[in-house]
Amino acid sequence: GAVVSQHPSWVICKSGTSVKIECRSLDFQATTMFWYRQFPKQSLMLMATSNEGSKATYEQGVEKDKFLINHASLTLSTLTVTSAHPEDSSFYICSARQPSGRDTEAFFGQGTRLTVV
Amino acid sequence: GESVGLHLPTLSVQEGDNSIINCAYSNSASDYFIWYKQESGKGPQFIIDIRSNMDKRQGQRVTVLLNKTVKHLSLQIAATQPGDSAVYFCAETNTGNQFYFGTGTSLTVIP
Repeated sequence: GAVVSQHPSWVICKSGTSVKIECRSLDFQATTMFWYRQFPKQSLMLMATSNEGSKATYEQGVEKDKFLINHASLTLSTLTVTSAHPEDSSFYICSARQPSGRDTEAFFGQGTRLTVV
Repeated sequence: GESVGLHLPTLSVQEGDNSIINCAYSNSASDYFIWYKQESGKGPQFIIDIRSNMDKRQGQRVTVLLNKTVKHLSLQIAATQPGDSAVYFCAETNTGNQFYFGTGTSLTVIP
């Protein structure tokens, strides 16, 4: 199956700093990627849809100025958590779908564990 | 938005028994559904999918049932193995684009 890769897998940062997470589709071009956040023992919550060459679409309640998304190419989307605080500590996961049809699975990255201290 | 995740319900089964995991979805317009398996510290992995024009689909050791009347999905795992221990999520979409995830169920297989 298609591969989606995230980097880094794990990051610890100081409160107030910014962290960038990369999501790459390795063997297909993705005009759209999706960013999710997952707290321990909870489900994945969609944060935003990343659109290549245009602005991301954010879900209700997600601060777009805090979670900056850039989708500069067909294989790379980045999520930057700005001025991170301990409550931003979470598991962030990206996904992408192959542009081969409507009913196709979404492939997920391995996730990025963010800990803000 | 769609269904919001709460704390995970749990299911424990004996090795070799069949498992049934249930999911209620919220959007009656959703037309494509996927079951994902997530192991600790990893991203979700595809298990099986089903379109809204079907009510049953079988894979290897897994079967998905869809009841659109009551907006309910189930995942049946035959002869459950220790390697099946994980968290299972159903995901729905009605735009062919974003997927929204259900609450999830933590499955533990007892050897």
